[in-house]
Amino acid sequence: SAVISQKPSRDICQRGTSLTIQCQVDSQVTMMFWYRQQPGQSLTLIATANQGSEATYESGFVIDKFPISRPNLTFSTLTVSNMSPEDSSIYLCSVVGGSGYTFGSGTRLTVV
Amino acid sequence: DAKTTQPPSMDCAEGRAANLPCNHSTISGNEYVYWYRQIHSQGPQYIIHGLKNNETNEMASLIITEDRKSSTLILPHATLRDTAVYYCIVRGLRNQGGKLIFGQGTELSVKP
Repeated sequence: SAVISQKPSRDICQRGTSLTIQCQVDSQVTMMFWYRQQPGQSLTLIATANQGSEATYESGFVIDKFPISRPNLTFSTLTVSNMSPEDSSIYLCSVVGGSGYTFGSGTRLTVV
Repeated sequence: DAKTTQPPSMDCAEGRAANLPCNHSTISGNEYVYWYRQIHSQGPQYIIHGLKNNETNEMASLIITEDRKSSTLILPHATLRDTAVYYCIVRGLRNQGGKLIFGQGTELSVKP
């Protein structure tokens, strides 16, 4: 299975600022996925990031709020823009590999 | 993808088998049943998947009913480290751009 390195592991940010989360994979992958997990909730898919094209966002998520970059087949970033306390969540990236999906360890974001 | 229904929580005694049910009555012929689990503060971890035959690996067994409308994940000898949220997900291999959609899952508590 692919190994994912996600940074930062946690952060505390001021409202109105932006945070960029990085996801590095140890092998080339076609699709990368970004999820949000709000406190006590299940995972919600934010978007699918393909290399060389714009990300595809799920209903309720927009590019202005969650811009995504995918410069190559091993790396992606998710930015949480103009943050509010409601953005406090765990953000995870994921890739498809082998017989299943592999997930990063997540970024725990607290907005104050 | 077909919708799944799982009990919100279950308890299991340490050393006993944990049997986690999942209903997926609208599953179609080309959709697989996947199981993932999420231990607190970690990213989800792949457990097992199957199409119609029962499957077993080093982590668990998956029993799928003959009509494929339900399945059971079996952890044969549950340990305290198996305490986690378990997600049953149904998806086709080439559906919707490959994304994985999570339901609410079952919170399994393994007690001494």
